[in-house]
Amino acid sequence: GIQVEQSPPDLILQEGANSTLRCNFSDSVNNLQWFHQNPWGQLINLFYIPSGTKQNGRLSATTVATERYSLLYISSSQTTDSGVYFCAVVPNTGNQFYFGTGTSLTVIP
Amino acid sequence: EPEVTQTPSHQVTQMGQEVILRCVPISNHLYFYWYRQILGQKVEFLVSFYNNEISEKSEIFDDQFSVERPDGSNFTLKIRSTKLEDSAMYFCASSEFGMGGSSYNEQFFGPGTRLTVL
Repeated sequence: GIQVEQSPPDLILQEGANSTLRCNFSDSVNNLQWFHQNPWGQLINLFYIPSGTKQNGRLSATTVATERYSLLYISSSQTTDSGVYFCAVVPNTGNQFYFGTGTSLTVIP
Repeated sequence: EPEVTQTPSHQVTQMGQEVILRCVPISNHLYFYWYRQILGQKVEFLVSFYNNEISEKSEIFDDQFSVERPDGSNFTLKIRSTKLEDSAMYFCASSEFGMGGSSYNEQFFGPGTRLTVL
């Protein structure tokens, strides 16, 4: 099946710093979503972004489908941004979601 | 904004017991999914459901699992005889369109049910 790799696996930031999270995937996809898993375990849908660029407040995401990667940008990080960020993809040849292993973000005051 | 809901939020059961996890998908969605996440691991696909039948399932979804849409709003996951290794967070999701092809196919996830098997 498709491989989904996220980097870095762990990230510690000072409040107010910016960060870039990366998601690489090994095959063409028709769906890519970014999620934030909060400390209660809930998966919060951040972006549906199979291609292109989107922005939502301090967060933005870019997917370059032809080069098989996506980036999630977090600007002016806050402690509430802490948690695990997952990307998930649906390959063109399949119809199920494959999740990456996540990036664990800790924002310290 | 419409959302997927799940009940209960936390379920504790004894090994060997049957559990039913419940989900109410977004009302105009036609495709439904179950995922699980063992503590500290990534989220894994279990099963997808469309038009009252399973459309795809993973190797994890063996004979002890079943899904059902008993009425027009609920979508359930049943585990017949729970094992210790079934302890996990179970997520329900729904989408307006299916995952195959290039249609808009964003999935919306519920808050999860944390299942603990003792």
